[in-house]
Amino acid sequence: NAGVTQTPKFQVLKTGQSMTLQCAQDMNHNSMYWYRQDPGMGLRLIYYSASEGTTDKGEVPNGYNVSRLNKREFSLRLESAAPSQTSVYFCASSALTSGRIDTGELFFGEGSRLTVL
Amino acid sequence: EDKVVQSPLSLVVHEGDTVTLNCSYEVTNFRSLLWYKQEKKAPTFLFMLTSSGIEKKSGRLSSILDKKELFSILNITATQTGDSAVYLCAVEARGSQGNLIFGKGTKLSVKP
Repeated sequence: NAGVTQTPKFQVLKTGQSMTLQCAQDMNHNSMYWYRQDPGMGLRLIYYSASEGTTDKGEVPNGYNVSRLNKREFSLRLESAAPSQTSVYFCASSALTSGRIDTGELFFGEGSRLTVL
Repeated sequence: EDKVVQSPLSLVVHEGDTVTLNCSYEVTNFRSLLWYKQEKKAPTFLFMLTSSGIEKKSGRLSSILDKKELFSILNITATQTGDSAVYLCAVEARGSQGNLIFGKGTKLSVKP
């Protein structure tokens, strides 16, 4: 009953360090997403992958890269972390068919809290 | 620019009260509006609305969409402390590959 699993749950980095957030889903979903959530800002889309082999930029992609490793896994990489990237990161997946969310439901992971000093 | 605006941003009520949360939107080629509840961690899905005037209901929660006036409301009757959470409204546009535009959320606190 895993759903969407993110690792790590917490991470502290120094400015300039790199790291990768891992995400895996076991629901055979086509589409996967990375969001960040900041106080007073709601959820903002960083990158998404509508299907295996494709990735696209969202609203706030600068400073991030992604890899859709296979249908299950979608990773988010910070090449040179900055304090502005301190946030809670959520991975999500959905049963996207014919270009739309099948039921409207995004399944979210439990979040990764990242602090950049 | 597509946007979703929720109001109020925060709300404190007592158990048993009825609350109404508001969500207005501006989006090109609207497809659906969704409500999520976020407690400590991950948001969880509540409703998806695509048609005007059709109420969706789940227990004490209900929601309705007005596509002419571009807004939705989420009602919670007989509130309980377990309803305390951030309620997120999101909109999906046609051709968006399932990307959702989220509002900033309404933080609801229910006091005993």
